[in-house]
Amino acid sequence: NAGVTQTPKFRVLKTGQSMTLLCAQDMNHEYMYWYRQDPGMGLRLIHYSVGEGTTAKGEVPDGYNVSRLKKQNFLLGLESAAPSQTSVYFCASSESRQGRTEAFFGQGTRLTVV
Amino acid sequence: DAKTTQPNSMESNEEEPVHLPCNHSTISGTDYIHWYRQLPSQGPEYVIHGLTSNVNNRMASLAIAEDRKSSTLILHRATLRDAAVYYCILTNTGNQFYFGTGTSLTVIP
Repeated sequence: NAGVTQTPKFRVLKTGQSMTLLCAQDMNHEYMYWYRQDPGMGLRLIHYSVGEGTTAKGEVPDGYNVSRLKKQNFLLGLESAAPSQTSVYFCASSESRQGRTEAFFGQGTRLTVV
Repeated sequence: DAKTTQPNSMESNEEEPVHLPCNHSTISGTDYIHWYRQLPSQGPEYVIHGLTSNVNNRMASLAIAEDRKSSTLILHRATLRDAAVYYCILTNTGNQFYFGTGTSLTVIP
């Protein structure tokens, strides 16, 4: 089992460029999440999805869009990257058992916007 | 969402037990208490979770206060590989995981 796989692992963008981060999970989980982590801080929830075709905003959604067209994939898009979006991005997935099950995290994508 | 409070940092000697505290005074009856840890340059890793009763697994034990307003993660014998940031998180029907700043654990050889 691969678990949660994030693509790419590293990326450098110029201000104003766009990109999409891909998260794939092979555990048939309903819930998927995108977080960002800035230096010395905990993870902050950007967007999440409770099932295929659904998305919802988290704590820090501005500047990001997401899509969940397939159950196993959750895409995070940056339409016009800004230096403030320089961060490490983590994807996670979990079953929909109302907090009773654990979340599984990917290894992260380190994004630098110059 | 209910918040958690943890010390910023703790130290432990190698092969000694470690007790990592977490306060969650606004916890609701349906909130589960989860613990995750994050090793340097890695994604968070599940450690343990519980609702009301104490829990044990191969990694750690979770002691939950009777009033559920606090909990303690217990590592029975700290190793150098346990050096990480430990996060205490509450989840409920929304199944969302909101992270705080966690406790940075240093293990001294």
